[in-house]
Formats: sequence, C-alpha cells, structure tokens
Amino acid sequence: EIVMTQSPATLSVSPGERVTLSCRASQSVSSNLAWYQQKPGQAPRLLIFGASTRATGIPARFSGSGSGTEFTLTISSLQSEDFAVYYCQQYNNWPLTFGGGTKVEIK
Amino acid sequence: EVQLVQSGAEVKKPGATVKISCKVSGYTFTDYYIHWVQQAPGKGLEWMGLVDPEDGETIYAEKFQGRVTITADTSTDTAYMELTSLRSEDTAVYYCATRGGGYWGQGTLVTVSS
Repeated sequence: EIVMTQSPATLSVSPGERVTLSCRASQSVSSNLAWYQQKPGQAPRLLIFGASTRATGIPARFSGSGSGTEFTLTISSLQSEDFAVYYCQQYNNWPLTFGGGTKVEIK
Repeated sequence: EVQLVQSGAEVKKPGATVKISCKVSGYTFTDYYIHWVQQAPGKGLEWMGLVDPEDGETIYAEKFQGRVTITADTSTDTAYMELTSLRSEDTAVYYCATRGGGYWGQGTLVTVSS
C-alpha cells in the first residue's frame, strides 16, 4: 500500500500568517491527491482534489500543488476558522490511504 | 441537497457485530461509490472499503478484510457497513462518504467495551 507522510505533525501559527503543509507519497500517485480539513467533532471537509483543484465553496486562500510524490497545501493568510487538522489522501491506488495529519494550532 | 445520514451510536461487547447504516439523498445513489472510513479517538483517518451501489462490487482494505462487509440497498438508497468480531481497538467513529469525498455522513460512534 502507498504510505502517505505529512509534515510537520503540528504547526503553531498566528492568524494572518502564510501556512505550508507537506505531504509525501511512498510512490507516485500522479495528481490523484486530495486534502481535507477536520475540526473537532466534525466530519472531514474536502478542500482540494486532483492535487490542485479547489472543491466547491472552498475559499481562494487554500491552494494545492505538486504531483508524483510531493504535494503541498498552502493557506495564504490563516483565518481563525482555519485552525484544524489537515489530512492528505491518495486515490491513485487501492487501498486509499491517508496521511497522519497536520494539526494547525494557534501560536 | 446531498445528504448522508448515518445511524446512531452503538455500544457493543467484545466479539459482537455492529451494522451501521448510511442513507443518502439528493443524488442518484447508483452514480457514486460509498466509502467507509474509521477514526479512532484522537487518531487519524483510515479507509476501510467501498461499495459500488450500481452492481454491489466491493473493495476492502486488507486490515479489515474478513471482518467487514459493505453493502448497498438500492431500494432504500442506503449503504451499510458491518464489522464483526469487535475488539476494543474498533472503538471509533465510522463515517460514510461519497462523491469523491465531497460529502460525508455525520459519523457514528461505536464503543466496544465489556
């Protein structure tokens, strides 16, 4: 199975800062990569699919890039509602696999 | 409006079986896979498997193979996830999701305790 590794595990950030989260795949997943946001007690919310396409209703401050094995989620200016855990997921191969998550917390 | 509504919380004893439902509305049930995802307390997301409601075909993660059965009932637009031989490590919130992960159920907490 493809192992997805996210870094860092935790990121302490101030509102308004630019945030970059990384996701690495153990083998190429082409552009079949999604990013999710999850807040406590809530289901995950799809942010990005196809490595760089924002899902419906997702603000433009969220952007995704990368292909193959290296991917990045960037939040251009962190808002208070963006403090959450972020997961990447590959859907290029079965089984689908998620990264371990990056927690974005208030500095 | 697309909605996935899951059944309520369950408390089970070790060795028991749980079956969770996920009723969908707002789109054609047979057009998209239904996935199931496990999230243990304080942990990350783990994909369990999927069903293609059009033909009932399933794919399971190796970790759950042999213990999980995912089905789809096209007469009621409802998907089901059954997990057998429950153990304490199966205590988790279970989510159904569809349409490329764009829509999720609210989650069902399963607690396994003697």
